[in-house]
Amino acid sequence: AQSVTQLDSQVPVFEEAPVELRCNYSSSVSVYLFWYVQYPNQGLQLLLKYLSGSTLVKSINGFEAEFNKSQTSFHLRKPSVHISDTAEYFCAVSDPNAGNMLTFGGGTRLMVKP
Amino acid sequence: EAQVTQNPRYLITVTGKKLTVTCSQNMNHEYMSWYRQDPGLGLRQIYYSMNVEVTDKGDVPEGYKVSRKEKRNFPLILESPSPNQTSLYFCASSLFSGSEAFFGQGTRLTVV
Repeated sequence: AQSVTQLDSQVPVFEEAPVELRCNYSSSVSVYLFWYVQYPNQGLQLLLKYLSGSTLVKSINGFEAEFNKSQTSFHLRKPSVHISDTAEYFCAVSDPNAGNMLTFGGGTRLMVKP
Repeated sequence: EAQVTQNPRYLITVTGKKLTVTCSQNMNHEYMSWYRQDPGLGLRQIYYSMNVEVTDKGDVPEGYKVSRKEKRNFPLILESPSPNQTSLYFCASSLFSGSEAFFGQGTRLTVV
C-alpha cells in the first residue's frame, strides 16, 4: 500500500519569504502526484499535478513542485508567499493501476505572517 | 457548473441512529470516493467506486456502507454511528484513476 509523508505539520513564514513544503512517498512504481490546498472551511482544490513528462510542474499562483524519482519526493515551493496563501496543503499519490484514487499525507498548515 | 454536492453540510446525531450523507456529481465521472479528515491524519479513504455497482473498501471502511446504483450518486451510510466517527467527511469524483479529483464542500458530522 502507498504511504505519503509530509514532514512538517506546520510551517510559519513571514510574508514575501520563500517556502518549501516537503512530501515523500513510499512507492517505487510509477505513480501520479498531486498537491491539494484547503482554505478554511472549504473543500480541497487541486493546486498542481505530475502525471508524466517534465519533472517540474507549476501552478497559476506561483507554486511549483519537482518530482524526484530517486528520492521519491514531490516538494512544493514558492519563492515569495502572500498572506492569502495561508491554508492547509496536502500531498497525494495515486497508483494508476490500483484504482483506489488518492492516498494523502497528513497535511501541512502554512501560516503566513505579516 | 461542474461540481460535487454533499448534503448535509453539518449534522449532529446520537449514537446508534442510522444516517445517510448524500453525494452527487454532474461531470459523468466514473470514479467516486469517500474520505474522512481528522487532525494530523490527513484524509483517509473509506470506500471507493470505479463504476456503477462496483465498490471497494478503502483504508478505514469499518462502520460504513456505500452504494452506487447510479453513476452520479454515491451515498455514505452509517448504520449505527459511534462517537469515533465524529469527523469531517469529503466525497470526491474523478474521470478515471489518476486524474484530478474534484471534492465536495464537506460534511461535518458529530456523534454524541
